[in-house]
Amino acid sequence: GQNIDQPTEMTATEGAIVQINCTYQTSGFNGLFWYQQHAGEAPTFLSYNVLDGLEEKGRFSSFLSRSKGYSYLLLKELQMKDSASYLCAGGPWGGGNKLTFGTGTQLKVEL
Amino acid sequence: DAGVIQSPRHEVTEMGQEVTLRCKPISGHDYLFWYRQTMMRGLELLIYFNNNVPIDDSGMPEDRFSAKMPNASFSTLKIQPSEPRDSAVYFCASSMDRGPYEQYFGPGTRLTVT
Repeated sequence: GQNIDQPTEMTATEGAIVQINCTYQTSGFNGLFWYQQHAGEAPTFLSYNVLDGLEEKGRFSSFLSRSKGYSYLLLKELQMKDSASYLCAGGPWGGGNKLTFGTGTQLKVEL
Repeated sequence: DAGVIQSPRHEVTEMGQEVTLRCKPISGHDYLFWYRQTMMRGLELLIYFNNNVPIDDSGMPEDRFSAKMPNASFSTLKIQPSEPRDSAVYFCASSMDRGPYEQYFGPGTRLTVT
């Protein structure tokens, strides 16, 4: 199957670091994507991984281990505006990537 | 570029009525996707097109749903007849045929069927 699991909710403090985990069970994923979705808005692309390891992009980093079916999104120097839902999505790497999304992790950043 | 454009932003209709959602993808994008998002099921892919041709419609719930893309700049998702369980936010997204293949989402249409 193409199950994607991620925690439902997380809470963290402004200025801290938070790691959002995502596990998946599929043989059809060779790209792992992270999207951010603020309440009432559309998802926006954050990062992707097609190879094992860490990809860094400013305050956001994403890690992938294909053999373990595991990814995480790391957010550093948390800001209040980072309060949002973070969606993990897997799919083929290529045009028309038919993504399967997790249900999202609702992150709340507190003072 | 204005981004992906969807209309209407909100739609309230009665059960049994026909509903048509519209989408204009980003110019030059090769792929167009229709998604549905609910609290219970999250974000689900309904159908996607490549160069105006439907490629995979396996996510379309049932025959009441249909989608078309008559040209590169316009797509519709139609529900006929609508039912209360169709209430959701419907997103359209588009992407290019080159890495990182990120999908750009429109603002969504919030559909309420009473």
